[in-house]
Amino acid sequence: AQRVTQPEKLLSVFKGAPVELKCNYSYSGSPELFWYVQYSRQRLQLLLRHISRESIKGFTADLNKGETSFHLKKPFAQEEDSAMYYCALNYGGATNKLIFGTGTLLAVQP
Amino acid sequence: DAMVIQNPRYQVTQFGKPVTLSCSQTLNHNVMYWYQQKSSQAPKLLFHYYDKDFNNEADTPDNFQSRRPNTSFCFLDIRSPGLGDAAMYLCATSRDFLPVEQYFGPGTRLTVT
Repeated sequence: AQRVTQPEKLLSVFKGAPVELKCNYSYSGSPELFWYVQYSRQRLQLLLRHISRESIKGFTADLNKGETSFHLKKPFAQEEDSAMYYCALNYGGATNKLIFGTGTLLAVQP
Repeated sequence: DAMVIQNPRYQVTQFGKPVTLSCSQTLNHNVMYWYQQKSSQAPKLLFHYYDKDFNNEADTPDNFQSRRPNTSFCFLDIRSPGLGDAAMYLCATSRDFLPVEQYFGPGTRLTVT
């Protein structure tokens, strides 16, 4: 069965430090993966998706099929990066149905 | 300029008393989704509509129903809420299927007393 695992509930770093939010998945098909972010008092919103291979707000994520991982990285954390981050897997193929991980709260200390 | 609107933001209902949560969208998207998110857990898909076509997830309890009277509105009905149904309910839309962005509403927090 499909599954998304985010092993860290909380990740606390200092401003300027590198950040890596871990995401591992289990899926028998060809994975389509996303990172969604929820800032304080805001709605859940898309941060990036692996098929776009883009960098958003300095974040990147590379799909590693061998390790079944899609870790989110940023070289230098900013205080405004503090938020809840969810990794999500499209398990519905063409129907765009998402299964989410339990999320990691990133706290960037000044 | 809210795109996905959920009303009310907070809902309190009594055990066993039917309750309806509302979602509307100004994006004219074809697909609407309902997720349930319990405390410290991942959002979990309950069902979705593609236009008027309804698709229920296999493990969604029968207690949960949905209606989509038109493109803009979608409702979540809980026929007999139990204490275990207390959660945040998220509505989302997407323009179409395929791996495109889902746009989320702010959620409705349901309390069952």
